[in-house]
Amino acid sequence: KQEVTQIPAALSVPEGENLVLNCSFTDSAIYNLQWFRQDPGKGLTSLLLIQSSQREQTSGRLNASLDKSSGRSTLYIAASQPGDSATYLCAVSNTDKLIFGTGTRLQVFP
Amino acid sequence: DGGITQSPKYLFRKEGQNVTLSCEQNLNHDAMYWYRQDPGQGLRLIYYSQIVNDFQKGDIAEGYSVSREKKESFPLTVTSAQKNPTAFYLCASSIEGSYGYTFGSGTRLTVV
Repeated sequence: KQEVTQIPAALSVPEGENLVLNCSFTDSAIYNLQWFRQDPGKGLTSLLLIQSSQREQTSGRLNASLDKSSGRSTLYIAASQPGDSATYLCAVSNTDKLIFGTGTRLQVFP
Repeated sequence: DGGITQSPKYLFRKEGQNVTLSCEQNLNHDAMYWYRQDPGQGLRLIYYSQIVNDFQKGDIAEGYSVSREKKESFPLTVTSAQKNPTAFYLCASSIEGSYGYTFGSGTRLTVV
């Protein structure tokens, strides 16, 4: 059974720092890996989607990498801002469903 | 704009009542999903449907029911058999899993 783990569970940093959020999964037979952002009381916003054949994806200050063989992904946030404060969720997809980690709660203070 | 619409945003249920959460998408996606989110826990899959008139149980289907009569709609009914229904419910859709998932804004259900 696929299990997804995210470390750390919570992170509080000053504005301007570069951050790394970690995601690991137990079964490497995945279609893709998707990173989401969730603001309190809101739905999920997709940040980056990495196909199983890809190694990384970038969008603005965000960069996500995928190492299927080791079952790991990292989300790199450059030059963090208070507006980045949210919960970040990692999820892996097999043929018919998405399996989530428990998330990393990020707070960026001015 | 294409997207997923969940309604209502907030829903209150009395003990013993059935309530239905609405999920509509105009993305022309084939597959739709319902997830439940509790504080401190990851999202857990309740039901999913990959085609009209067909659906499968997820990890926590007990006490819930769904229908998929139209491609655009995938309503979730929380029945009185669900003993702890207070949670945040999220609906999602995808063309197929390899192209990623799109989520709605959620419905917060509270038992009163």
